[in-house]
Parts: sequence; C-alpha cells; structure tokens
Amino acid sequence: SQQGEEDPQALSIQEGENATMNCSYKTSINNLQWYRQNSGRGLVHLILIRSNEREKHSGRLRVTLDTSKKSSSLLITASRAADTASYFCATDAGQGAQKLVFGQGTRLTINP
Amino acid sequence: ETGVTQSPTHLIKTRGQQVTLRCSSQSGHNTVSWYQQALGQGPQFIFQYYREEENGRGNFPPRFSGLQFPNYSSELNVNALELDDSALYLCASSDPSGGARETQYFGPGTRLLVL
Repeated sequence: SQQGEEDPQALSIQEGENATMNCSYKTSINNLQWYRQNSGRGLVHLILIRSNEREKHSGRLRVTLDTSKKSSSLLITASRAADTASYFCATDAGQGAQKLVFGQGTRLTINP
Repeated sequence: ETGVTQSPTHLIKTRGQQVTLRCSSQSGHNTVSWYQQALGQGPQFIFQYYREEENGRGNFPPRFSGLQFPNYSSELNVNALELDDSALYLCASSDPSGGARETQYFGPGTRLLVL
C-alpha cells in the first residue's frame, strides 16, 4: 500500500518558473526523502529530511517537513527542461528494515 | 550513476514461468532492497537483505524470494509468474553503518513483461 500521497499528480510549467510538489503521509516517520525518476528508469536520490528538521536546502531544491500535519513539500526554483521527470516522496519509519514507502509521484513537465 | 547495476535490462516471460533478476550493490554497501514499480505507480517494497539474511519483507507472496551473496550482490526470484507481475523491478543498496545510512541508491531497474 502507498503511504504517501503526492499532489498534484501532474504539473506543467514554463522554464524558469518555480515548481512546488506536496506530499502527505499517514504514520510517524524517521525521515522523508525525495527521489527523481526519468522515463521509468532508476530513482535518483535528491534530498533527505529527518523528522526533527523543518527545512532543508540543496542547490535549487528546498524541502520542508511538517510532522504535525504529516506533510512535506519540494520546491524546485528556476526550473530547467532537464528537471522534467517524476518526483516521489518516500518515508522511512526507521523500524527494523530500512523500508521506504513511496507515494504515487508527481509528473513534472518543464516547457521550454 | 549510483554504482548499482542490474541485469537484464528487459525481459519477456510467459505466465507460469520463473524469472531471476540480478543486482550488484554499490561498493561497500552490505544491504540490498528490492522494489516493484507498476506502471504509473510508486515503487513498492518487496524485501531487504542485510549480510545475506532477509531483513524485512513487504506484502508480497512467497513466490517472490531472494538471495544475497557474500559479495553483497543479490537475486530476486519470482515463481509462477502472473500477468500482474509485469513491472519495473528496482534494487537499491545502502550501508546502514555509513554517514548517509538512510539513503538508498537505486539501480536502473529491470523491466519485466509477462504475457
């Protein structure tokens, strides 16, 4: 079963604009991670935020985490055509096996 | 490039057959996880191996089984294939003792089609 729900399911913006994707989850977590996937290929790890963190930055990426609302957002600033991909949030409950529970993803299209 | 490799890249099987997928983990990583990703869905956790032992399992039937070898490479075996097994199978390696212990590094996947 999917833990996370990404919103929107699809997003299309112009190059240079900012893209925001949201993720909600259901259970307590140890950390939340964002991954990118190009055209049904392997997943690329973007950023990890721990449950005791509220915001994290990496280059053009900004991630926020609100554990009280069980939600996270990923902001990509100054988007580029190469950012076109599917983006997934994944939660790690930190119990036993390091099991990631993924949402269904947001399909992001950057138009030139 | 994560250093995680998978083989084969594509595979076509018929219903009822058996399949073996292979994964080589990133150097120094002793943990391998397998995920199934159906078209248009997020990946779902199948199981994880740590130092050659199964270390957790998702909601998949026993016909999904695995192995991890002393060099930490891994196999996923699926018996009695069903049409719904058609998916992208991803493996991911990690090092629970490392500084980035929570990060999993994914391979490019094996696309399985069951006819």
